[in-house]
Amino acid sequence: DVKVTQSSRYLVKRTGEKVFLECVQDMDHENMFWYRQDPGLGLRLIYFSYDVKMKEKGDIPEGYSVSREKKERFSLILESASTNQTSMYLCASSLKSGRQYFGPGTRLTVT
Amino acid sequence: SQQGEEDPQALSIQEGENATMNCSYKTSINNLQWYRQNSGRGLVHLILIRSNEREKHSGRLRVTLDTSKKSSSLLITASRAADTASYFCATDAAGSGNTGKLIFGQGTTLQVKP
Repeated sequence: DVKVTQSSRYLVKRTGEKVFLECVQDMDHENMFWYRQDPGLGLRLIYFSYDVKMKEKGDIPEGYSVSREKKERFSLILESASTNQTSMYLCASSLKSGRQYFGPGTRLTVT
Repeated sequence: SQQGEEDPQALSIQEGENATMNCSYKTSINNLQWYRQNSGRGLVHLILIRSNEREKHSGRLRVTLDTSKKSSSLLITASRAADTASYFCATDAAGSGNTGKLIFGQGTTLQVKP
């Protein structure tokens, strides 16, 4: 059974902290994605990666960076967390095109 | 950029009734997909319809696609309380290559009352 896992379900961080959100997939997928989801705004794409060490900005990359050193792992980094980055973060993976497989989400609170 | 607009934003029905959700989009697509999200969880893929298809069925789900109107509908027949969730349409825009990038609508929240 396909699986996308995220390092934490819930996370509480302080303003200014560096935050790492990890995502791992076991399906040998080329593509991986990071979204944030906020009430009334739906899912917004932060960054995606279509190959190891390749990344592209999504719609809202400001304040975030990513790392993909291995095919199965895609990390989202908040260099200096701010309260407006409090949100649900969703990771997904896919083959070249087609359906995306989502992780369970990380609910991040920045205080 | 928000591609999909969903209608209605919220829907409340009785168990056994049918639920219809609509999605409109702006650009040419390779395919359109529907996902379900239970509260506080990740999204689960329901069905994918390609741009050259007009209708697709999966169990109690029926999806239609009208590329001339740039719209799609999701019909859930004989709804159950377990269908209570948010439903999202997502489009794979033509010209996006093999990135697999999708643009999601804002979703329809469905409540099915027992």
